[in-house]
Amino acid sequence: GAVVSQHPSWVICKSGTSVKIECRSLDFQATTMFWYRQFPKQSLMLMATSNEGSKATYEQGVEKDKFLINHASLTLSTLTVTSAHPEDSSFYICSAGPGGQGNEQFFGPGTRLTVL
Amino acid sequence: QKEVEQDPGPLSVPEGAIVSLNCTYSNSAFQYFMWYRQYSRKGPELLMYTYSSGNKEDGRFTAQVDKSSKYISLFIRDSQPSDSATYLCATTDSWGKLQFGAGTQVVVTP
Repeated sequence: GAVVSQHPSWVICKSGTSVKIECRSLDFQATTMFWYRQFPKQSLMLMATSNEGSKATYEQGVEKDKFLINHASLTLSTLTVTSAHPEDSSFYICSAGPGGQGNEQFFGPGTRLTVL
Repeated sequence: QKEVEQDPGPLSVPEGAIVSLNCTYSNSAFQYFMWYRQYSRKGPELLMYTYSSGNKEDGRFTAQVDKSSKYISLFIRDSQPSDSATYLCATTDSWGKLQFGAGTQVVVTP
């Protein structure tokens, strides 16, 4: 299957700082990528849809000014958690697909964010 | 009501048994169906991807889709301890975002 990478895999930061997470499609181009958040023992919660060359589409309840998404190229999307607070601590996962009807999605390995 | 319902388990089975997982969905516009496996602290891994009603087999895994009853299943034959994970069903319409079930935690005991 297609490969999606994320960096970093784990990050610890102080409250009030910003953290950038990268999501890359390694062997295909993705005009659309998705960002999810997952709390322990819960399913994935879609945060936003990242569209190459245009603004991201955020799900209801997700603060667009807090979670900045930039889809700079067909293989890279970034999620920046701005002014992070302890309640932002979570597992963040991206997904991408090679496109076409059906929207088959492959997930990255995830980034564990801990805000102290 | 959630668009995709899935029993969170946990489901415990002895090694070698068949694991049976299922989900129901409410939106008849959903056309594509997926099963993902997720180990703790890892991203979900795509196991099965199906479009039409019927069965799809891949090794020890069989996915079933019944669009008339809006019911999808995953069977794991000859289960191994390494199959212990959370299994997530997901579905989508032609171009849309995935709708996930809650995930079922499976424990295969040696």
